[in-house]
Amino acid sequence: GAVVSQHPSWVICKSGTSVKIECRSLDFQATTMFWYRQFPKQSLMLMATSNEGSKATYEQGVEKDKFLINHASLTLSTLTVTSAHPEDSSFYICSAGGTGTFLSGSPLHFGNGTRLTVT
Amino acid sequence: AQTVTQSQPEMSVQEAETVTLSCTYDTSESDYYLFWYKQPPSRQMILVIRQEAYKQQNATENRFSVNFQKAAKSFSLKISDSQLGDAAMYFCAYRSEGAQKLVFGQGTRLTINP
Repeated sequence: GAVVSQHPSWVICKSGTSVKIECRSLDFQATTMFWYRQFPKQSLMLMATSNEGSKATYEQGVEKDKFLINHASLTLSTLTVTSAHPEDSSFYICSAGGTGTFLSGSPLHFGNGTRLTVT
Repeated sequence: AQTVTQSQPEMSVQEAETVTLSCTYDTSESDYYLFWYKQPPSRQMILVIRQEAYKQQNATENRFSVNFQKAAKSFSLKISDSQLGDAAMYFCAYRSEGAQKLVFGQGTRLTINP
């Protein structure tokens, strides 16, 4: 089956630094990737949608300058949390869909998530 | 905008028994897809079952089945012969035909009592 690899699994960083999270589709071309944020015991909140080769579309209330998303290839999307603060500590999950995914109703494939802790 | 509601924050069931998780949604669309995802303590999102809105027949995957009531906009998940490994957060999700994003419900935490 389709595999999405997310790295790192967990990261601890100091306040004010930037952290990059990678999301890779290992055996398919991901034309679209999604970035979610999940607080403890809560649901997944969509942050942004990234399409290969174009600018990401951010959900309302998500700071574009804080959460930089790049989708430079069909197999890689990155989320960079800039100038991280303790309130950015959360679980971040990516998911990816390939060509025809949406028309066929095929399910998205999720990465294993990244636990970010900002001290 | 579409919304998904899971009204049961927590549910518990005895091992080997049957449990039903509720999900309702709000949409004005006629073509869409519905999903149930499982998130165990590992936090990995695992697809449990999906349903196409144009299909009247309820989807079934081994011990997992759904009761899809399109008119009522209801999509419940039934787990038969519950096993300890079924313990997890369960999320109901909606996706429009041809659209890109999933809309998730709040989740239901399922506990299996041995």
